Amino acid sequence: AQRVTQPEKLLSVFKGAPVELKCNYSYSGSPELFWYVQYSRQRLQLLLRHISRESIKGFTADLNKGETSFHLKKPFAQEEDSAMYYCALRALSGSARQLTFGSGTQLTVLP
Amino acid sequence: NAGVTQTPKFRVLKTGQSMTLLCAQDMNHEYMYWYRQDPGMGLRLIHYSVGEGTTAKGEVPDGYNVSRLKKQNFLLGLESAAPSQTSVYFCASSWTTEQYFGPGTRLTVT
Repeated sequence: AQRVTQPEKLLSVFKGAPVELKCNYSYSGSPELFWYVQYSRQRLQLLLRHISRESIKGFTADLNKGETSFHLKKPFAQEEDSAMYYCALRALSGSARQLTFGSGTQLTVLP
Repeated sequence: NAGVTQTPKFRVLKTGQSMTLLCAQDMNHEYMYWYRQDPGMGLRLIHYSVGEGTTAKGEVPDGYNVSRLKKQNFLLGLESAAPSQTSVYFCASSWTTEQYFGPGTRLTVT
């Protein structure tokens, strides 16, 4: 069975400071990793996926298979980045496209 | 394009009452999901469907039933509500890997 761990429930940084949200996973096969974000009063939405290797809103995340991690990083945090962030994993075997979510990290960017 | 909609937005039930949550999507997605979101536990999959007429159990299916009679709708039923089912319920749908979420239903069972 797969598992996703986000060790920080709450994270506060000042505007302009770097931010890193940690995500570790356990899965015996090849996973697909995602970061989803939920801004205040908005729906949960996809932020980025490891396969795309893209930067969205200044955020990047690299899959480290050796450390089984998929940390989310941004060099200069903005106040509008304040939100709940969920790391999620999808097993590449099987057809149901189910996601296993971590418990989430509430990021607050202080002015 | 409304995307994924959920009805109702809020509901308060007494222990033992029943209710049905409706999820509708207008994106012609094959896959649909029901999650519950609890503080400190993230989103946990209750049931899911890989197409019209199909349903399957997720991580926390006990106390819930689902039906997918039409491709665009996915219903979540609570036959006899319990206080442990107090939660925020999210529906999602997908075609490929990205899941699109509804706005959520906040359910309180007293």
